[in-house]
Amino acid sequence: GQQVMQIPQYQHVQEGEDFTTYCNSSTTLSNIQWYKQRPGGHPVFLIQLVKSGEVKKQKRLTFQFGEAKKNSSLHITATQTTDVGTYFCAGSITNAGKSTFGDGTTLTVKP
Amino acid sequence: SAVISQKPSRDICQRGTSLTIQCQVDSQVTMMFWYRQQPGQSLTLIATANQGSEATYESGFVIDKFPISRPNLTFSTLTVSNMSPEDSSIYLCSVAGTGGKGNTEAFFGQGTRLTVV
Repeated sequence: GQQVMQIPQYQHVQEGEDFTTYCNSSTTLSNIQWYKQRPGGHPVFLIQLVKSGEVKKQKRLTFQFGEAKKNSSLHITATQTTDVGTYFCAGSITNAGKSTFGDGTTLTVKP
Repeated sequence: SAVISQKPSRDICQRGTSLTIQCQVDSQVTMMFWYRQQPGQSLTLIATANQGSEATYESGFVIDKFPISRPNLTFSTLTVSNMSPEDSSIYLCSVAGTGGKGNTEAFFGQGTRLTVV
């Protein structure tokens, strides 16, 4: 079945440093979504990427979708303590809304 | 965006009993899903809740253990049956909707934190 791998599992950074998490799918995806889950909270939708090679930005967050639509990355520039949480990618092979989640990358930021 | 109300938010249950979790959405949605998130783990899809027909279960999940109802386009329930400590987890309801630019967005309920003792 479809597998979505995400690395690293954990990342500890000093406030102001950059952070990147990577996501790889075993199959070509129709789209990929990114979520953030704060400790004790539920996943919150951040963005969806659909097009091959797509790059989208949300303030300090940059999302990329690979040309082959099998990998993606989330990059945060100049992390802040409010960025702490677990970031999940989730890939869909159809547009039906059903997704396979990666294992997540847990980010901690030292002030 | 869709607003999802999920309850109970948490519960502690005795092994062998069953718990029904409710998910109410403030608008009609076509797709509703139930996920499980075990402690420190990622989200695993249990099933797709289909309105007016039987739910579609993912590999490793069966209807006898996780019966699901979807009586209309705004409501669904998930029952965790004959619970054991291994069922201790967070259960999340999710819906998929169309965002402002026509792309599919997913929204999650607050989750139900279940502890089986």
